Amino acid sequence: AQTVTQSQPEMSVQEAETVTLSCTYDTSESDYYLFWYKQPPSRQMILVIRQEAYKQQNATENRFSVNFQKAAKSFSLKISDSQLGDAAMYFCASQGAQKLVFGQGTRLTINP
Amino acid sequence: EAGVAQSPRYKIIEKRQSVAFWCNPISGHATLYWYQQILGQGPKLLIQFQNNGVVDDSQLPKDRFSAERLKGVDSTLKIQPAKLEDSAVYLCASSFYRGPGELFFGEGSRLTVL
Repeated sequence: AQTVTQSQPEMSVQEAETVTLSCTYDTSESDYYLFWYKQPPSRQMILVIRQEAYKQQNATENRFSVNFQKAAKSFSLKISDSQLGDAAMYFCASQGAQKLVFGQGTRLTINP
Repeated sequence: EAGVAQSPRYKIIEKRQSVAFWCNPISGHATLYWYQQILGQGPKLLIQFQNNGVVDDSQLPKDRFSAERLKGVDSTLKIQPAKLEDSAVYLCASSFYRGPGELFFGEGSRLTVL
């Protein structure tokens, strides 16, 4: 069974600063993907960034990057130069052969 | 390209009543998912379809929840009879591939059971 744990229910950051959201996961599958999804208030969830477990290089998408530590089963998200539009719930997720399993989420607040 | 469409956006019912939610995935997406998101929690998979066949419904409370995907396109999720604990947002998502890949989500249907 897959499990995903986000230990930070809430985080806040000053606009333009950097914030890191934590995530740990557990899976018995050897081939899997990891994702961060963003859910703005009253809007649909969208993909922020993905990481294939077989790739050692950390994924990067503009201001968003991950720190993937496979042995530690850790997958954190770093947001650089935080913007007001980054305020949302962020969900870490793991997907093996089929099922996508989400963590509990971290609510990110951006302080102007 | 049109996104995943869901309706209704909001629904309030009394316990023991029934409710149905509709989802139209992105055109060409073979895989369709229904997730339940209780306030303050992450989404939980209820059922996954590949075309019109069920891939995973292990967490679907089958005594009260049912879902179908007619002709491998639209899908309907039904709850009958509803319980207070069914209050949640029901998210529909679709993907092109069956395996790991990006899911595209609808805006969700918020259910309140009184």
